[in-house]
Amino acid sequence: DSGVTQTPKHLITATGQRVTLRCSPRSGDLSVYWYQQSLDQGLQFLIQYYNGEERAKGNILERFSAQQFPDLHSELNLSSLELGDSALYFCASSVADRVQPYTFGSGTRLTVV
Amino acid sequence: QQQVKQSPQSLIVQKGGISIINCAYENTAFDYFPWYQQFPGKGPALLIAIRPDVSEKKEGRFTISFNKSAKQFSLHIMDSQPGDSATYFCAAINTDKLIFGTGTRLQVFP
Repeated sequence: DSGVTQTPKHLITATGQRVTLRCSPRSGDLSVYWYQQSLDQGLQFLIQYYNGEERAKGNILERFSAQQFPDLHSELNLSSLELGDSALYFCASSVADRVQPYTFGSGTRLTVV
Repeated sequence: QQQVKQSPQSLIVQKGGISIINCAYENTAFDYFPWYQQFPGKGPALLIAIRPDVSEKKEGRFTISFNKSAKQFSLHIMDSQPGDSATYFCAAINTDKLIFGTGTRLQVFP
């Protein structure tokens, strides 16, 4: 157990729907990072939050959004889902802003049908 | 410039052999180079990391070799074991996001 908790582990939903993925960072970590892992794109950085504020953006689609709450857990919202959004979504956390190492959770496998 | 190129895509090694995975980068602002190991159904886990002011770092059977002038770095796994079978990602970071290589699937056969 890495200490980073992601729920749910698996999610199957239809095209056009909206889902929310949840991440609880490791105790004491203030930064949360979201990554998407697909077979053809590898691990792609989506977005980072530090202590409730957005700090960095990667290849995140406009249909996707995220936030970090006062208790430091984070949620990634995916809307108007397309087949191509099927992937593993990982959350990672670190103790401070962009400080290594990043600790990854076990991911949420999203399947859009 | 933000890319990290990784090779090979897959690697098959006999137990006891040496596994070598190579990565190259272009952005000279990168200042931290970690390697992650990922088992099926799990998230990537930090294996070993190096900063560019060091040419080699060894932790047990795992060694990173770093060539700053060539902008290349590699992971060597000595005495490879079946339990090392996993996907390995090199990565690089400056003060921005962590950029991953495309991954190498390592299979170690007994």
